[in-house]
Amino acid sequence: EVQLAESGGRWVQPGGSLRLSCVASGFTFRTYWMTWVRLAPGKGPEWVANIREDGRKVYHAASVEGRFTISRDNAKNSLYLQMDSLRVEDTAVYYCARDSPGYGAYSSWGHGTLVTVSS
Amino acid sequence: QSALTQPPSASGSPGQSVAISCTGTSGDIGSSDYVSWYQQYPGNAPKLMIFETSKRPSGVHARFSGSKSGNTASLTVSGLQAEDEADYYCSSYAGDSDSVVFGGGTKLTVL
Repeated sequence: EVQLAESGGRWVQPGGSLRLSCVASGFTFRTYWMTWVRLAPGKGPEWVANIREDGRKVYHAASVEGRFTISRDNAKNSLYLQMDSLRVEDTAVYYCARDSPGYGAYSSWGHGTLVTVSS
Repeated sequence: QSALTQPPSASGSPGQSVAISCTGTSGDIGSSDYVSWYQQYPGNAPKLMIFETSKRPSGVHARFSGSKSGNTASLTVSGLQAEDEADYYCSSYAGDSDSVVFGGGTKLTVL
């Protein structure tokens, strides 16, 4: 069974930093693109970033470019999101998702981790 | 403002069919084979209903179907049931920005 477990979310002040983690199990992690998607309160999903199987190709949404960095450690079956210069509008539940059964299609989601940015 | 445009609401009576549209541009839907649709209940993660425009993941009922024409994708729900009442979101790979874009969502009400 595919399982994704996010952690690291908490309250932080604007301008602060956080590092989110996602531990994967139940599948061969190193053979899948992985993605971070966020859901802000009362809003729809927003794609944040994704990363190729080998970690050598990464893409970030324009809204987080230069502030967030996606990475992975295939030896630890783990996905990360380094979040710097956080803004109030970054407040959301952050999910890691596996790109499957197709590119940009997410059939497996974690339970999410809540990031709250406020003063 | 979402990159893809969906009607905020749609409705139908049990047994009827309803189609939800999702309009993008030539830089996303118009040039992408990677259009997906999700169903979401409040407080839950989205559930994938359609991928690659018209394919259904294992376990998704055949009452759900997807299609695309030009820059507009559509999700059709046939034989509406009470449990279909939820929010639906479309998404597409956007080659012009190497990203995935989502729609703003459509609330489907079963009357």
